[in-house]
Amino acid sequence: EDKVVQSPLSLVVHEGDTVTLNCSYEVTNFRSLLWYKQEKKAPTFLFMLTSSGIEKKSGRLSSILDKKELFSILNITATQTGDSAVYLCALSSGNTPLVFGKGTRLSVIA
Amino acid sequence: SQTIHQWPATLVQPVGSPLSLECTVEGTSNPNLYWYRQAAGRGLQLLFYSVGIGQISSEVPQNLSASRPQDRQFILSSKKLLLSDSGFYLCAWSARHEQYFGPGTRLTVT
Repeated sequence: EDKVVQSPLSLVVHEGDTVTLNCSYEVTNFRSLLWYKQEKKAPTFLFMLTSSGIEKKSGRLSSILDKKELFSILNITATQTGDSAVYLCALSSGNTPLVFGKGTRLSVIA
Repeated sequence: SQTIHQWPATLVQPVGSPLSLECTVEGTSNPNLYWYRQAAGRGLQLLFYSVGIGQISSEVPQNLSASRPQDRQFILSSKKLLLSDSGFYLCAWSARHEQYFGPGTRLTVT
């Protein structure tokens, strides 16, 4: 059974800190790994990763995938209070629905 | 570009009343469509998904049902709501690897 484990479950940092969120997975037929940000509404799409070692970057957020070790990380540099959210990792495998992790709740305090 | 609509945005219904939530997608054809529920402070629970008109897969047996009468329309229904049906209901669509969420319906059953 495909599985996604995110760590830590929650994290509190100060503005300006850099954070790294982890996502490890088990899969039988890997297609892609996706990251989402969820504030008090619907999740918004951040990144889709399909190849190892290629960093995806958007502003202060970046993500990379390691298909050999079966994990991905999401980095946020110079955190701001607006980065406070739940970050979800999801696995796409064949034609089945995405498998979501439980998320990491990030709180950035001023 | 593709957009996904859900309505209503919020809903308060008494126990035992019926439910109908609608989701429509624009700008794409033959998408995979999904209904998720998220209870307060909890992760995403996949309820139903559909790969085509009239094709519905149920992930969790309960008093909810789904229908897909048209290619880009997905409806979530219940004949009699329970208190435990309260939550944030999200519709999502995917084509190929990425998945995008609608704005969600926040349902409170009283």
